Amino acid sequence: GESVGLHLPTLSVQEGDNSIINCAYSNSASDYFIWYKQESGKGPQFIIDIRSNMDKRQGQRVTVLLNKTVKHLSLQIAATQPGDSAVYFCAEELLYNFNKFYFGSGTKLNVKP
Amino acid sequence: DADVTQTPRNRITKTGKRIMLECSQTKGHDRMYWYRQDPGLGLRLIYYSFDVKDINKGEISDGYSVSRQAQAKFSLSLESAIPNQTALYFCATSVRTGQQFFGPGTRLTVL
Repeated sequence: GESVGLHLPTLSVQEGDNSIINCAYSNSASDYFIWYKQESGKGPQFIIDIRSNMDKRQGQRVTVLLNKTVKHLSLQIAATQPGDSAVYFCAEELLYNFNKFYFGSGTKLNVKP
Repeated sequence: DADVTQTPRNRITKTGKRIMLECSQTKGHDRMYWYRQDPGLGLRLIYYSFDVKDINKGEISDGYSVSRQAQAKFSLSLESAIPNQTALYFCATSVRTGQQFFGPGTRLTVL
């Protein structure tokens, strides 16, 4: 079956530094990849997504990189702020499998002041 | 007002009880989903519905059932709750591909 996982369960960074959160996936047929942020006590919140035919997409302070050769996805957060502290999930969507989503287990980002 | 709401937000129940979790959305999306989240695990799909007449099992549907009463409402039921169903439950909606919009979650404890 499909699996989406994360390399590191916890990441600590200094405020102002850049953060990189990584994700590995196993299904080369995945069509969409999405990053979510989940703050304590809240539901996941969409950050950015990327189609499988792209290798980079930029948002406000965030960049997602997709390397299909090694089935790797990363989320880069520029100038990390205390408000960025949360758990970050990657998810993959398989359009051929009735648009099902598969989520990784999450990486907890701690931003130190 | 929140676009996706869930009730109740917290629930403690006993083994064998029937429980219903409700989800409502004002986003006008056709697609709705129920997930559970356990510590150290990602969200796992329980059921999903692409419109009012469409109900599909997810990867962990055993022990659960759903009802899509209207485009805006999608309920999850545990017919006979058991302790390993203790988890955080999320409802989500989407238009088509990509972004899903999540509710605030329901924390369920089965004793």
